[in-house]
Amino acid sequence: KQEVTQIPAALSVPEGENLVLNCSFTDSAIYNLQWFRQDPGKGLTSLLLIQSSQREQTSGRLNASLDKSSGRSTLYIAASQPGDSATYLCAVFTGANSKLTFGKGITLSVRP
Amino acid sequence: GAGVSQSPSNKVTEKGKDVELRCDPISGHTALYWYRQSLGQGLEFLIYFQGNSAPDKSGLPSDRFSAERTGGSVSTLTIQRTQQEDSAVYLCASSLRDLFVETQYFGPGTRLLVL
Repeated sequence: KQEVTQIPAALSVPEGENLVLNCSFTDSAIYNLQWFRQDPGKGLTSLLLIQSSQREQTSGRLNASLDKSSGRSTLYIAASQPGDSATYLCAVFTGANSKLTFGKGITLSVRP
Repeated sequence: GAGVSQSPSNKVTEKGKDVELRCDPISGHTALYWYRQSLGQGLEFLIYFQGNSAPDKSGLPSDRFSAERTGGSVSTLTIQRTQQEDSAVYLCASSLRDLFVETQYFGPGTRLLVL
């Protein structure tokens, strides 16, 4: 059974800091991995999707990497801003049952 | 459509009542998913529809939960005889295809509170 872990559960950093959010998964037989952002009381917004054959994806100040063999992904946020404050969820798609398996998320607070 | 929409946005019900939650996926998306997000828990897969294929119901927590997708578009998640532990945010997502490359687009969710 696939399990996705995100540690720590919460993180607080000062504005401008570069930071890394970690995600680990137990079954390396994945098709892709997605990072989502969830604002309080809102749905999920997809940030980046990395195919199993890829090593990383970039969008603006965000960079996500994938090491499938070790079951790890990181989301790098450069020059963090208060607007980046949200919960960041990692999810893997294994194809089995065609569903995403989510971590519990990391709640990020960027202090002005 | 502009995105996945869900209704109602909030629902408060009494224990034992039935509720229906609606999801309108993005037009043209053939895959539709229901997830549940409980306080302090991650997102939990409930059910998956792909085109005209039989739905994957492997995530439904009990036989009180059921879902339909009419005409390959709108979906309704029904919870019968609601219990307090059913209180959660129910999220719907759709994607253009179900495998490998497609991003899942999520709706804003329905916040269900069972008193």
